[in-house]
Amino acid sequence: EAAVTQSPRSKVAVTGGKVTLSCHQTNNHDYMYWYRQDTGHGLRLIHYSYVADSTEKGDIPDGYKASRPSQENFSLILELASLSQTAVYFCASNQFSGNTLYFGEGSRLIVV
Amino acid sequence: AQKVTQTQTSISVVEKTTVTMDCVYETRDSSYFLFWYKQTASGEIVFLIRQDSYKKENATVGHYSLNFQKPKSSIGLIITATQIEDSAVYFCAMREGLQGGRALIFGTGTTVSVSP
Repeated sequence: EAAVTQSPRSKVAVTGGKVTLSCHQTNNHDYMYWYRQDTGHGLRLIHYSYVADSTEKGDIPDGYKASRPSQENFSLILELASLSQTAVYFCASNQFSGNTLYFGEGSRLIVV
Repeated sequence: AQKVTQTQTSISVVEKTTVTMDCVYETRDSSYFLFWYKQTASGEIVFLIRQDSYKKENATVGHYSLNFQKPKSSIGLIITATQIEDSAVYFCAMREGLQGGRALIFGTGTTVSVSP
């Protein structure tokens, strides 16, 4: 069973502050993704990566940075958090040939 | 650009009946993969079923099956003999192409409520 773990699971951040959401997977997957979930918008892709030290922009990358320092770890960074970034963030991973995505538990971020 | 659309925001059914939910997609690729995921009340998102575009047979897993209509760019999910535990949000998703480096794009989800 694929294991994708996220931290923190919940966070309250101040507007203008820096937020880092971390994701760790233990299944040797090549691909990792960050999605954002908002009511009425489903899951929207922010950034993804298919190899360590490289990241790609998704559909809504503005205001977010990503970092993939190793195959197992993928971080989402909000340098200057804004109210509009209040959402639930999901990390996911999969293998090149497998396609099936395995999701983390989600991280609820509230920016005040 | 690829796009996935789920127009039904919510569906209510009675336990042990069948529920069908719709999904249409847009893509320029001749090969693509279609998925359905389920998000439970706890927030957990799990994979349910997948359809490869080059396969003519509709995929079936347990009491989940797909209605793949390629000419209509449609991939419906059918849940038979529904149970209370099937109450959840169901997401349709698509991945274009056979090459690596492509991410899944999701629809906005359909909330299914199963009552006794």
